[in-house]
Amino acid sequence: QKEVEQNSGPLSVPEGAIASLNCTYSDRVSQSFFWYRQYSGKSPELIMSIYSNGDKEDGRFTAQLNKASQYVSLLIRDSQPSDSATYLCAVNDNYGQNFVFGPGTRLSVLP
Amino acid sequence: SQTIHQWPATLVQPVGSPLSLECTVEGTSNPNLYWYRQAAGRGLQLLFYSVGIGQISSEVPQNLSASRPQDRQFILSSKKLLLSDSGFYLCAWSVRRIEGYTFGSGTRLTVV
Repeated sequence: QKEVEQNSGPLSVPEGAIASLNCTYSDRVSQSFFWYRQYSGKSPELIMSIYSNGDKEDGRFTAQLNKASQYVSLLIRDSQPSDSATYLCAVNDNYGQNFVFGPGTRLSVLP
Repeated sequence: SQTIHQWPATLVQPVGSPLSLECTVEGTSNPNLYWYRQAAGRGLQLLFYSVGIGQISSEVPQNLSASRPQDRQFILSSKKLLLSDSGFYLCAWSVRRIEGYTFGSGTRLTVV
């Protein structure tokens, strides 16, 4: 049974700070990793994907992957109140037909 | 561009009543389609997925069923709803799994 774990939070950071969201996964053959943002009452939207070890940057977002440690993280620089949401980590092994989602971390950016 | 439509947005149904939720995708062919449920304060639970017309795989045994009568149409059904069926139902699609899913806007179902 593949598992994806996240700290449920809430994680509170002041506006302008760096928010760090973490995710660990159990299946060593996992190959694709995704971060989704879900605002309250809305559906998840894909914000980052990463496939190789190291960092991937997109604007204020940086995804970090360490396959040896089975660990993926999302950094949000210059956090804004509009970043307040639940962030879901998802993992796909490229052999199965679907992803496994973590329970999500609720982020609150305080003005 | 590809879009996904899901309706209705909200639904209140009595226990024991039937359910039909519909999802359609535009702008792509032969997508992989998925139904997820998210209970209040909980994570996403995969219910069904389909890789083609008439091909349905069930992840969780329950009183729900799914059908894919057309390439870009995915339907979630129940003959008799339970209180525990309440939740946020999400349809999603992908063409290449490596690119991730795109979710529809969801249906919030309350069984009373």
